[in-house]
Amino acid sequence: DAGVTQSPTHLIKTRGQQVTLRCSPKSGHDTVSWYQQALGQGPQFIFQYYEEEERQRGNFPDRFSGHQFPNYSSELNVNALLLGDSALYLCASSLNPSGQPQHFGDGTRLSIL
Amino acid sequence: AQSVAQPEDQVNVAEGNPLTVKCTYSVSGNPYLFWYVQYPNRGLQFLLKYITGDNLVKGSYGFEAEFNKSQTSFHLKKPSALVSDSALYFCAVRDMGGGSYIPTFGRGTSLIVHP
Repeated sequence: DAGVTQSPTHLIKTRGQQVTLRCSPKSGHDTVSWYQQALGQGPQFIFQYYEEEERQRGNFPDRFSGHQFPNYSSELNVNALLLGDSALYLCASSLNPSGQPQHFGDGTRLSIL
Repeated sequence: AQSVAQPEDQVNVAEGNPLTVKCTYSVSGNPYLFWYVQYPNRGLQFLLKYITGDNLVKGSYGFEAEFNKSQTSFHLKKPSALVSDSALYFCAVRDMGGGSYIPTFGRGTSLIVHP
């Protein structure tokens, strides 16, 4: 039973560029949440997708956007990258929007030069 | 609003000794509490959760946590630490009375178990 998978594992970009991160949820899960984990910090909630719509959003600017596909996989897009966007981006899936606990992938390490 | 505090950035313990990682929380309604563990270059792994019922919750890998409503705490414990328990531990809380299903995470506590 595959857990949550994320790609790529590592990514290096320069300021001003755009990036797309991908996530496949655990089998049987239909809800995907994205988190940003800066070095030395806990995960910060970006947004949650369910039924291909953004259901909840954290305190992140519009440069952060997402999408969910009919197979429940999801993408996180970040435009106009800033140095401060350097972080580990975690995807978590759950049985439904209120489902707990969430199951996390191993993340994508994004470095901005 | 919901929040969680992990007052210790790092906890050091000798292998075989008991360990405690502290967590306090703040919510408007009843709390839904979690502990997760993160190993280097990995995502978060679920350890245990508390919703209602017995104040002592047992979880994975021999960990347990004690819910204390009067002290608004949810400390993680293990009777005998292993070197392999060395990792980053996160406490999280969700307000059962709130409209959001999203938990808030603490900053994490680095547990170091010395041989």
